[in-house]
Amino acid sequence: GESVGLHLPTLSVQEGDNSIINCAYSNSASDYFIWYKQESGKGPQFIIDIRSNMDKRQGQRVTVLLNKTVKHLSLQIAATQPGDSAVYFCAENIRGSQGNLIFGKGTKLSVKP
Amino acid sequence: EAQVTQNPRYLITVTGKKLTVTCSQNMNHEYMSWYRQDPGLGLRQIYYSMNVEATDKGDVPEGYKVSRKEKRNFPLILESPSPNQTSLYFCASSLRRGWETQYFGPGTRLLVL
Repeated sequence: GESVGLHLPTLSVQEGDNSIINCAYSNSASDYFIWYKQESGKGPQFIIDIRSNMDKRQGQRVTVLLNKTVKHLSLQIAATQPGDSAVYFCAENIRGSQGNLIFGKGTKLSVKP
Repeated sequence: EAQVTQNPRYLITVTGKKLTVTCSQNMNHEYMSWYRQDPGLGLRQIYYSMNVEATDKGDVPEGYKVSRKEKRNFPLILESPSPNQTSLYFCASSLRRGWETQYFGPGTRLLVL
């Protein structure tokens, strides 16, 4: 089975609030993680990545946090906007594997105006 | 503009009728991959290619073929499509390795009757 999963399949937030999307991974050998955003009818788009030697990485309105102790990854979106409505999923690379990404199933984020 | 293109975007066909979905990238990427996306299952890798004339099976290769004769193109071939291959297909590419950030095409929605 997949080693990457998400706690919540759907998340509904009010416009302007912060959103937190979670991802659990089971392989302690995973050393690279990516968050993707997939809008309806489109292909996944890269948002942000983080390596296992980091705990936090910030982008524009997004922050990824990595907790290796509990094998947990989160994506925080500040001041969520209607354009943030999409499915978000994480992907991991397991060090020493063939080097292909393993993708989680995704969380649907709905932003209420 | 750097991009991954797929054609066709939508396709309805009948069982057993051979079809090819094309994928092309203009970023001079070495790594290319095909995924299928089904509700509740997330992205599953079909085949990938590390470079020209170098292809390998992903997680769900049965019923599919690929070729990589040129660096920019990576067509997906269904020799004898069946209804269980009805799905949303994505092509992706990355600079060198599958664990790097992958850039996705817009998707091809296939219905096999």
